[in-house]
Amino acid sequence: QKEVEQDPGPLSVPEGAIVSLNCTYSNSAFQYFMWYRQYSRKGPELLMYTYSSGNKEDGRFTAQVDKSSKYISLFIRDSQPSDSATYLCAMSGNTGFQKLVFGTGTRLLVSP
Amino acid sequence: GAGVSQSPRYKVAKRGQDVALRCDPISGHVSLFWYQQALGQGPEFLTYFQNEAQLDKSGLPSDRFFAERPEGSVSTLKIQRTQQEDSAVYLCASSLAQNRPYGYTFGSGTRLTVV
Repeated sequence: QKEVEQDPGPLSVPEGAIVSLNCTYSNSAFQYFMWYRQYSRKGPELLMYTYSSGNKEDGRFTAQVDKSSKYISLFIRDSQPSDSATYLCAMSGNTGFQKLVFGTGTRLLVSP
Repeated sequence: GAGVSQSPRYKVAKRGQDVALRCDPISGHVSLFWYQQALGQGPEFLTYFQNEAQLDKSGLPSDRFFAERPEGSVSTLKIQRTQQEDSAVYLCASSLAQNRPYGYTFGSGTRLTVV
């Protein structure tokens, strides 16, 4: 079983919908939780990160971390066709160098 | 440059051929990482450099994979005797500091196809 599990989708929603993306993980040492967006034939770009538990909001995006359940979420409000991409969750520890451990990625399609 | 530059963008290699993939990190970034992303999967860690020192190579899948960063800037990932299972996108990322896992900037990758 992988350290980080993520539903690959695809997830299809109409424009304006609220999107919920999720990951579960097994490693209790993870302290940093990142969400990346990856467009086709491009590298991942960081959307948001959270340290330890809690919520973080940035415009239409909200990230949530529940360490007790080992579950993280990304919510996208008022989704736009330009949000169509693959969303990757990534995690790491917090001492010295820590490699990022990624989920499989969820492909999101927002239709006009 | 403004971002992480990788070349070539696409590489087709015949099975058994050696390939070299180049990464130009953001100027001043001391940390450099290589990841491998298979089709439909998330990136998987290969190796990490801090300046010219390769501090972690635990993710390299076999001794056919070799990475270097001799002057602490440009890095090259070399794959010898390529196999079909090596087909993937190879991503390079750089970061200003090692203790900021949220501080990576990724390049667009090199898509390697082994035929």
